[in-house]
Amino acid sequence: DTEVTQTPKHLVMGMTNKKSLKCEQHMGHRAMYWYKQKAKKPPELMFVYSYEKLSINESVPSRFSPECPNSSLLNLHLHALQPEDSALYLCASSQTTGVEKLFFGSGTQLSVL
Amino acid sequence: DAKTTQPNSMESNEEEPVHLPCNHSTISGTDYIHWYRQLPSQGPEYVIHGLTSNVNNRMASLAIAEDRKSSTLILHRATLRDAAVYYCILRANKLVFGAGTILRVKS
Repeated sequence: DTEVTQTPKHLVMGMTNKKSLKCEQHMGHRAMYWYKQKAKKPPELMFVYSYEKLSINESVPSRFSPECPNSSLLNLHLHALQPEDSALYLCASSQTTGVEKLFFGSGTQLSVL
Repeated sequence: DAKTTQPNSMESNEEEPVHLPCNHSTISGTDYIHWYRQLPSQGPEYVIHGLTSNVNNRMASLAIAEDRKSSTLILHRATLRDAAVYYCILRANKLVFGAGTILRVKS
């Protein structure tokens, strides 16, 4: 199994809502990542988890709250988002945070109204 | 993060080889050169990576200049399914994407 599974595939939320994005992998990878991608732009790194601990936060606003409950699961909790946060949110995993390749999920398309 | 420079777009004919260039003049000795591609409506997909020597896999070849300041991704026979955005990335402890090259393949 070389898949990274993201749910939901699409999400529409209001600015006062709280929602969560979920990412799962069963490859035994110990590094997991969240990226944000606006239309026609490259993915931007948001967070990196290594062995279930947050190792990199690319100055992401606190309305985005990541969580890694175990080595297979990564969540992104969303609260009080703005319309400009509408984007494709991509999850990825790799063996470690070394130089190995990343496996990406197909993303969650988020619309904030 | 060291920066890469790629052409905005390239066009190729189907069944012909494609050479996608990447300049990375500020590369450090520990940076690996990674290539990913992103097909429409999908997440990025790993293509190939290398440090100093040329590399081959089932998808592509990676030619790295001797001074490591540039590299070229080679698709040996482009197909319509290879139409995508190709990203050249210098990987140290994190993967930071640049603008990439949009590859169009004509039938």
